[in-house]
Amino acid sequence: DAGVTQSPTHLIKTRGQQVTLRCSPKSGHDTVSWYQQALGQGPQFIFQYYEEEERQRGNFPDRFSGHQFPNYSSELNVNALLLGDSALYLCASSFDTGPFYFGAGTRLSVL
Amino acid sequence: GENVGLHLPTLSVQEGDNSIINCAYSNSASDYFIWYKQESGKGPQFIIDIRSNMDKRQGQRVTVLLNKTVKHLSLQIAATQPGDSAVYFCAENIGGNTPLVFGKGTRLSVIA
Repeated sequence: DAGVTQSPTHLIKTRGQQVTLRCSPKSGHDTVSWYQQALGQGPQFIFQYYEEEERQRGNFPDRFSGHQFPNYSSELNVNALLLGDSALYLCASSFDTGPFYFGAGTRLSVL
Repeated sequence: GENVGLHLPTLSVQEGDNSIINCAYSNSASDYFIWYKQESGKGPQFIIDIRSNMDKRQGQRVTVLLNKTVKHLSLQIAATQPGDSAVYFCAENIGGNTPLVFGKGTRLSVIA
């Protein structure tokens, strides 16, 4: 049983570009949450998807958007990239009130 | 790989000793707590969880203690091994699938 998988593992973009990150949840999980982790910090909640809709959102601008597909996989899109968007982007999946399991993350560098 | 937790509090322990990592939380409405281990270049790995109706839970070599009176959570690791070296985060939410709020993290360094 594969755990949470994320792609790509690393990405380099320039300011102003847009990026799409992908996540496949753990088998049996229907909820996907995205987090941003800056160097030396704990993960910060971006948003959560359930039943293909954004259910909750953290304090992130509208440049951050997402999508969930019928197979529960999810995408995170970031438009108009800023240098400050450089971070590790983590996807976590869960089911009902169970634990959140994280993927290995996508390291985004904005130059 | 990436450097997780460049300026985090560090706990250094001898191999074979027990480790205790502490976490203070501020939201008295928090109902669910998780400890994660994060190694360099990897995502947070689930270690153990506890709900607010319990004050202690044990896993394999790990124990989590919850003191709701003083809003304090601790992770005890028995017979600490070099492979336990990592950054440890506590996280909390108010139940269900509400967002996790992470603590600052503690770097555990095991001295062989």
